[in-house]
Amino acid sequence: NAGVMQNPRHLVRRRGQEARLRCSPMKGHSHVYWYRQLPEEGLKFMVYLQKENIIDESGMPKERFSAEFPKEGPSILRIQQVVRGDSAAYFCASSPGLLVETQYFGPGTRLLVL
Amino acid sequence: AQKITQTQPGMFVQEKEAVTLDCTYDTSDQSYGLFWYKQPSSGEMIFLIYQGSYDEQNATEGRYSLNFQKARKSANLVISASQLGDSAMYFCAMREGSFGNEKLTFGTGTRLTIIP
Repeated sequence: NAGVMQNPRHLVRRRGQEARLRCSPMKGHSHVYWYRQLPEEGLKFMVYLQKENIIDESGMPKERFSAEFPKEGPSILRIQQVVRGDSAAYFCASSPGLLVETQYFGPGTRLLVL
Repeated sequence: AQKITQTQPGMFVQEKEAVTLDCTYDTSDQSYGLFWYKQPSSGEMIFLIYQGSYDEQNATEGRYSLNFQKARKSANLVISASQLGDSAMYFCAMREGSFGNEKLTFGTGTRLTIIP
């Protein structure tokens, strides 16, 4: 049973470009969480999604960031018009149900904005 | 307000010694959970141990144990007989939120270096 998969593992973008980060949850998991880790900091919650629904996006910046988890396919975190401050590691986690203690993390995507 | 506090930015410990990583938390919830994760230099987040607020016994997983002191709101991680491979960042985290909308809040981490 494959774990949580994220791709790409590393992404380089120039300022103003778009970044698309993908997360495939573990088989049977319908809950996805995105976290951001700035350099030398802990992870910060961004958004919680279930299939086709955004449950909590209280940690998402109001502009340029969006997330989706369609009925089919991976969850996507999209960052438009990236700026240098978006450089960070973005982690996805998935769980089969509501209890977050069953959350499993992916390996992360390292985004570097030049 | 900081909900998870890790006061040790970095620690150096001799190999084979035990090490305690501090974590204090702040919550008004009756039901919550506390986690420790290890992040090696390769970057992935590795789950180590979990303690529920209603668990009466301290959680243990191999060489890891969680010293849970509810009245003091502390959840320290104890690693016995440290090994070189234990060198990594360690994050304490707390489950918070209402039922059906729960997420993890992380501390700022402690960088542990094991000295041969």
